[in-house]
Formats: sequence, structure tokens, C-alpha cells
Amino acid sequence: GAVVSQHPSWVICKSGTSVKIECRSLDFQATTMFWYRQFPKQSLMLMATSNEGSKATYEQGVEKDKFLINHASLTLSTLTVTSAHPEDSSFYICSAITGGSSTDTQYFGPGTRLTVL
Amino acid sequence: AQSVTQLDSHVSVSEGTPVLLRCNYSSSYSPSLFWYVQHPNKGLQLLLKYTSAATLVKGINGFEAEFKKSETSFHLTKPSAHMSDAAEYFCVVSDTGGFKTIFGAGTRLFVKA
Repeated sequence: GAVVSQHPSWVICKSGTSVKIECRSLDFQATTMFWYRQFPKQSLMLMATSNEGSKATYEQGVEKDKFLINHASLTLSTLTVTSAHPEDSSFYICSAITGGSSTDTQYFGPGTRLTVL
Repeated sequence: AQSVTQLDSHVSVSEGTPVLLRCNYSSSYSPSLFWYVQHPNKGLQLLLKYTSAATLVKGINGFEAEFKKSETSFHLTKPSAHMSDAAEYFCVVSDTGGFKTIFGAGTRLFVKA
């Protein structure tokens, strides 16, 4: 149980275009989803926390106008990288929890590799 | 403020020998602590978590970790390494006051035959 999927698994786009990444909880309802970014051989950096039906909470230094997050349902959150540039190339990972506490286990998606040319 | 430090960027062991991956943390609140494993091209998987219950936490695949408040440590151990344990391991701290989740830098575990 507790499977999280991401789509696409990898994407290549041209500089200046926008890319949407989907995160779905397949067999449970996720009250909260998280978006992370992971650079090669580095750790995960939390970008934002997304609660269903409300605005996402962004971490310091993350541009909310560049990384648009929508959590329209209890099973789907999307991250849109707007006007992508090569420095946005990274591995983006989402996670989801079922409860409302930070002690809840996070279930992670397999990640999306974004390459901006 | 929270932080988590994984003391080794990589650890190499022989198959069948013990594994020790070290993690130190700091937290202003009562922390929850997690260990996750990341295999290539796969999502992160929870190994175990500590949430102020028993200080010795047993996880999946024979892993366990001990919460030592006096040492602010949460080291991950396994008595006997298996080739399939080769992966990246992350120590994670999350404070009970909110959703602030901090990942350690990760430790790459190599297992030699």
C-alpha cells in the first residue's frame, strides 16, 4: 500500500518553456504533499508543502511564481516549472502523507528528471 | 533550528559484516527522526522512524537505529550487510511543531562481495 506515482519520469524541454509534473497518491488520500529538489550526488531540499484546497507554503529562497504548485484533490498535486532555464535542471521528488502530523511517514514518488536545454 | 549531519559521505563494507551509518541531529523541539533508503531509479523508502516511543527502533530488512538524546545521535546499524543493501541512505529530522523536514546529506553504502 501507500504508493505515490510521478509523471513524467523524465522530461527534456527548451529554455523558456513551462513543464508540469504530476504527483499522485494511488491508493490513499493525501492531506499533504511535499515537493523536493535533488541535485546530483546531493541531498533533498524541501521546496514547498502543499495542502489540498489551499495555497502551498514555500521554503525560503524558492520562487513561488516560478514553481507553481496546485493541490486540487486529495490524490493529485502538480508542480509547474515556468519559464524553465538550464539551472532548473534537477531531480524533482514529491511525497505524501495521510495524516496531519510531521511525524507521519512520508511516501515518496520515484522522482522526475528535468533537463532544460 | 533544526539540522542533521551524516558523518560519512560514503561507507564501504564487505558482505556479511556489520553496517554503521552515523547521524547526529539538533532540534529545538522533540524531534521525529527517520532513515530512508534510495536505490538508483527508485523512490525513497522508509527504513524506520523514531517518534518518542522506544529508543531502539527496528526497521525493515534487518536495520535498526538507536535514539540517544544525550549524544543527539540516531545511528543506523545492521548486523550483516547484504549486496542488496548498497544504496544511498538519508537521515531525516522533522520537528513536531510543524512540517519542517530536514534531510541529511546522505551516505552512500557500498557492499563488497
